[in-house]
Amino acid sequence: SQTIHQWPATLVQPVGSPLSLECTVEGTSNPNLYWYRQAAGRGLQLLFYSVGIGQISSEVPQNLSASRPQDRQFILSSKKLLLSDSGFYLCAWSVRARDTEAFFGQGTRLTVV
Amino acid sequence: SQQGEEDPQALSIQEGENATMNCSYKTSINNLQWYRQNSGRGLVHLILIRSNEREKHSGRLRVTLDTSKKSSSLLITASRAADTASYFCATDALGTYKYIFGTGTRLKVLA
Repeated sequence: SQTIHQWPATLVQPVGSPLSLECTVEGTSNPNLYWYRQAAGRGLQLLFYSVGIGQISSEVPQNLSASRPQDRQFILSSKKLLLSDSGFYLCAWSVRARDTEAFFGQGTRLTVV
Repeated sequence: SQQGEEDPQALSIQEGENATMNCSYKTSINNLQWYRQNSGRGLVHLILIRSNEREKHSGRLRVTLDTSKKSSSLLITASRAADTASYFCATDALGTYKYIFGTGTRLKVLA
């Protein structure tokens, strides 16, 4: 069966420090991969999505970047964190086909101090 | 950009009552999906309705879709305390693999 791993679960980082959040998927190949951010009590904002290795689409200009170095690995990065980068970050994957659902990781709660 | 808007933002009901949540979206879609999120956790898929479908059932869930009005509703019948969570609609826009989520409805079911 397919599983998605996202880590760490919580992270406290100082302003100006770098960030690297990793997400890996097991049990499938060629998945679509997604990074979302959720502000407290709010909906999900799509940050990046990828339909293949090295193919990244950015939805919102910001202080973050994403990379997909391997088929089932998706990394969210920042060179210098801002206070406004705080939030709940969720990784997800889906099968590359129509009318399929997204499967979510358990999320990373990032607090920038 | 946020695709969907959900209504109400928050809903509090007694156990055994029905809960109805509504979602509106802006563009043409392949399908619309509903997800559930327990506090501080990832989202779990509940049900998917295709753009050529008008109604779908799954257990205590009933979803309707009106593409002419660009709206959907989720009905949870005979609610339970364990249904307490946030519920989100998501659209899979035509020609993309993107899932765009609504703002969510926070449901509280009182025992």
